[in-house]
Parts: sequence; structure tokens; C-alpha cells
Amino acid sequence: GQSLEQPSEVTAVEGAIVQINCTYQTSGFYGLSWYQQHDGGAPTFLSYNALDGLEETGRFSSFLSRSDSYGYLLLQELQMKDSASYFCAVRSSSGGYQKVTFGTGTKLQVIP
Amino acid sequence: DTEVTQTPKHLVMGMTNKKSLKCEQHMGHRAMYWYKQKAKKPPELMFVYSYEKLSINESVPSRFSPECPNSSLLNLHLHALQPEDSALYLCASSQAGSVTDTQYFGPGTRLTVL
Repeated sequence: GQSLEQPSEVTAVEGAIVQINCTYQTSGFYGLSWYQQHDGGAPTFLSYNALDGLEETGRFSSFLSRSDSYGYLLLQELQMKDSASYFCAVRSSSGGYQKVTFGTGTKLQVIP
Repeated sequence: DTEVTQTPKHLVMGMTNKKSLKCEQHMGHRAMYWYKQKAKKPPELMFVYSYEKLSINESVPSRFSPECPNSSLLNLHLHALQPEDSALYLCASSQAGSVTDTQYFGPGTRLTVL
């Protein structure tokens, strides 16, 4: 089976940096994605890591360590609009096809 | 156009009703997905269509019946649902075979089963 674990809630101050961790167990691993979802909204893609290391996209960075089955999302210069749920998602093989399994989600609250 | 549209936005149905959810995308994506999301939970994969063929069915009850009439459209037919099926149903699409497999999600249909 597959499992992905994330902290359920994180609170951080506006302008600060926050790191959201994700540990996973899966077979046929291809890569790790991160999605943001505001309350009442749809998930939107943030980043994808297939190889070990750090990927940077503006204020957001994502890291992957395949040997540790671990990744994180780093959000810098936090803004109030970053308050949302963040999901890591594993892309893996399934019966010759690929599928995406979402983690438990982390609710980020940014406070003034 | 990077939009996935879903209709209806909201749906209330009884346990004996038959209804359909619709999803459309015009990004030329050849992979389309149905997810179910309960409140404060992650999206759960239900079905995957790849090149208009059903490639993954995550052991979904037969009261949910997917259909992919063409490369732009995806339907989810509902029949004899239970109250526990009330949830947000999300459609997504991606470019099959892409390196990142970025999925673009529609706004969802919020379904209430009475």
C-alpha cells in the first residue's frame, strides 16, 4: 500500500519562512508533487521533484530525498494569502499506468 | 486556455435519483481523472482515463459509472447513491506522459445525497 504523512496544522507569522514536511511509503515511485488548496477551492499545482535536491519557484521551494522517502515544501516571505491547505502527492506506477496519491494535508495559517 | 470546467457546481439528489456530473477541458490533455474529497481530507482518486480508455478504477462502487465520450469530456454517472457519498467531486486533467504530470483541477461539484 501507500502512505503519506504530513503535519496536520502549521501556524506562522507573515513575512516568515515555514517548512512543511512529507514522508511517504510507496512502490514504483516516480516523483513528489505539492498542491495548494484554499478553502472552497480546487487544488492548484505548485511544484514537482523527480530527483533528489531542491527546486525553486519564486517564494516556494521543494526538496526531495528519495533515499529517505522524504520531501518538504518551503514557503518564504509568507503572505496572508498563503493561508491554505498544502498537500504532497506521490506519483507512482499502478498496473502499468501512473497515478497520484495525495498526502493527509497540512493546514497553514498565516497570522499578522 | 488552462481551465477545467465542471457542471453543475452544486447538486442535491435523493438516493433513488440518477444524475450526471460533467467535466470539460480544451488543453489537449489525454489523461483525465475523477477524485472524491470529503471535508478536511485529501482528494481520493476514483478513476483515471488515458487516451479515452479507463486505465485505473480504484475499487469504486458500481453506483459510480465514469464515461469519456471524447478527449475533451469526462462524465460521472450517479445512481442509487448513499448519504455517505456526499462530497466534493473534482475532475482533473494532465498531459499524458509528461515529466511532471501536472494535474489541472476543475472547481468541483459539491454533491449532497439526501
